[in-house]
Amino acid sequence: GAGVSQSPSNKVTEKGKDVELRCDPISGHTALYWYRQSLGQGLEFLIYFQGNSAPDKSGLPSDRFSAERTGGSVSTLTIQRTQQEDSAVYLCASSPGLAGLNEQFFGPGTRLTVL
Amino acid sequence: AQSVSQHNHHVILSEAASLELGCNYSYGGTVNLFWYVQYPGQHLQLLLKYFSGDPLVKGIKGFEAEFIKSKFSFNLRKPSVQWSDTAEYFCAVNFYKAAGNKLTFGGGTRVLVKP
Repeated sequence: GAGVSQSPSNKVTEKGKDVELRCDPISGHTALYWYRQSLGQGLEFLIYFQGNSAPDKSGLPSDRFSAERTGGSVSTLTIQRTQQEDSAVYLCASSPGLAGLNEQFFGPGTRLTVL
Repeated sequence: AQSVSQHNHHVILSEAASLELGCNYSYGGTVNLFWYVQYPGQHLQLLLKYFSGDPLVKGIKGFEAEFIKSKFSFNLRKPSVQWSDTAEYFCAVNFYKAAGNKLTFGGGTRVLVKP
């Protein structure tokens, strides 16, 4: 079946602009995660959604970052007033249950470049 | 705060050589452990995982990992690598009681296998 998809695959924007990144998880997966991977760094947790529970936003680096998940499926990560340090690959993953106990399935990522 | 360390950032070896990648974490409680791999141009995918039981776990493609609780380690091994094992390898840990259901990733190790 279809895997996790993300769009756009690449996004170039100017400093100060807002961007929206989209994630379509695997159908039926209840958990959805966003990570950021900067050059030469590992994956940095940003936020996760589990079913109808309140999201865990503990990894969001500033209030310029927000995310929502509509209808328990598609998720959008929004970065307002982008800064150059926001340049990174943003990865989305979904899981049939809690990440601590289940495999996460990753999307291809969105490469964000802030000029 | 809990953390995950992968001390080798880059490893270069020849085909048929043995591979061992180190992973250490800082946390005294119960953990769930994972190794993920990202082949060139592909998504991150699960290699193996450990939750409980036999501390020596076997994964796909001939990989195995050993959990040594006293050393807070979960090292990845393969007795004889192939050129196709060229990839970036990430250790990930769920510190369930301390950090909920998210995964904390190490910085990754880039492995280059020379033919």
